Amino acid sequence: KQEVTQIPAALSVPEGENLVLNCSFTDSAIYNLQWFRQDPGKGLTSLLLIQSSQREQTSGRLNASLDKSSGRSTLYIAASQPGDSATYLCAVPAYGGSQGNLIFGKGTKLSVKP
Amino acid sequence: DGGITQSPKYLFRKEGQNVTLSCEQNLNHDAMYWYRQDPGQGLRLIYYSQIVNDFQKGDIAEGYSVSREKKESFPLTVTSAQKNPTAFYLCASTQDNSNTIYFGEGSWLTVV
Repeated sequence: KQEVTQIPAALSVPEGENLVLNCSFTDSAIYNLQWFRQDPGKGLTSLLLIQSSQREQTSGRLNASLDKSSGRSTLYIAASQPGDSATYLCAVPAYGGSQGNLIFGKGTKLSVKP
Repeated sequence: DGGITQSPKYLFRKEGQNVTLSCEQNLNHDAMYWYRQDPGQGLRLIYYSQIVNDFQKGDIAEGYSVSREKKESFPLTVTSAQKNPTAFYLCASTQDNSNTIYFGEGSWLTVV
């Protein structure tokens, strides 16, 4: 059964630092991986989706990479800002499920200090 | 604006009661989903529906029920059989041939 793990569970950094969030999955037979942002008490917002044929995706200061063979993905945030403070979750599709049938990690709670 | 509306935002349930969480979308999406999130945890799938009048159980369907009578609506009932219902509930939707998933703002359910 697919399992998704995110390390670290929490991270606190000073403003301006570059940082990396990690996501690992046990079954490499995925066709994409998504990174989401969740603000406290709110729903999820999709940040980046990487197809299995891609190695990375970029959006502004965010860059996500995918290494299927090793079962890993990273989310790189450049020049972090206090507004980046949120929980970041990664998710992969459940095998045989519909597009929104996702398996999530527990998330990394990021705090960026001014 | 197009999106997903969940209501109520906060709901309190007494022991033995059934409660229903509302989810409405105006995105014209075919598929809708209900997820549960416990504090410090990832999301777990309760039920999903890919088409009107059809739905499938997710990983933690016991103690929950759903209906899909209209394309835009996918209500979730938390029954008295759900022994630990206190959680944050998220509704989502997707369109066919698209990997983009949209989430509502969530509903907090607390047992009192």
